[in-house]
Amino acid sequence: DAKTTQPNSMESNEEEPVHLPCNHSTISGTDYIHWYRQLPSQGPEYVIHGLTSNVNNRMASLAIAEDRKSSTLILHRATLRDAAVYYCSDQTGANNLFFGTGTRLTVIP
Amino acid sequence: SQTIHQWPATLVQPVGSPLSLECTVEGTSNPNLYWYRQAAGRGLQLLFYSVGIGQISSEVPQNLSASRPQDRQFILSSKKLLLSDSGFYLCAWSVGGGDQPQHFGDGTRLSIL
Repeated sequence: DAKTTQPNSMESNEEEPVHLPCNHSTISGTDYIHWYRQLPSQGPEYVIHGLTSNVNNRMASLAIAEDRKSSTLILHRATLRDAAVYYCSDQTGANNLFFGTGTRLTVIP
Repeated sequence: SQTIHQWPATLVQPVGSPLSLECTVEGTSNPNLYWYRQAAGRGLQLLFYSVGIGQISSEVPQNLSASRPQDRQFILSSKKLLLSDSGFYLCAWSVGGGDQPQHFGDGTRLSIL
């Protein structure tokens, strides 16, 4: 199974950028890197995904290392609504996601 | 637009009782469908996925089973619940392969007494 590792928790001040790291130790060449976030008692919400190139959307940016063994989710200006558990995942086979325990992001007002 | 519905939102069941959780998707055809479980303080664990009607793949051996009787309906079942079946159950859908995101329902919180 694909395996990702993330820090258990991170803190950020409101309106400052946040860089959430993820290691993809078993990723293969065709696996996409996905990021989701989850608020308490809710299902995960898709944030962003990519294969090799860095990606930007309205929610965040995704930076992927050249060897693809690591990725970084970038929130350009953290808001209180960004406080959540963030999961990174390799996506393999029939679109299967493998989630770890994620990073709990605390945003300090 | 596409929507996903899961019910019930919460469920309390005694040990040994049966279980049926239902998930339906609207606004898309032939989606991939998934059941995940999240234990307290843990990450998400993929239980089952389906790429078509009647096609079910199991990721882990367990006390649960899944069925897909219709294109956009996915059911999670058990004949006899165990205490270890407690958790937060999430259904998700996607189209296509690994370059497509998954979209999750709001989940069912299952407590076994």
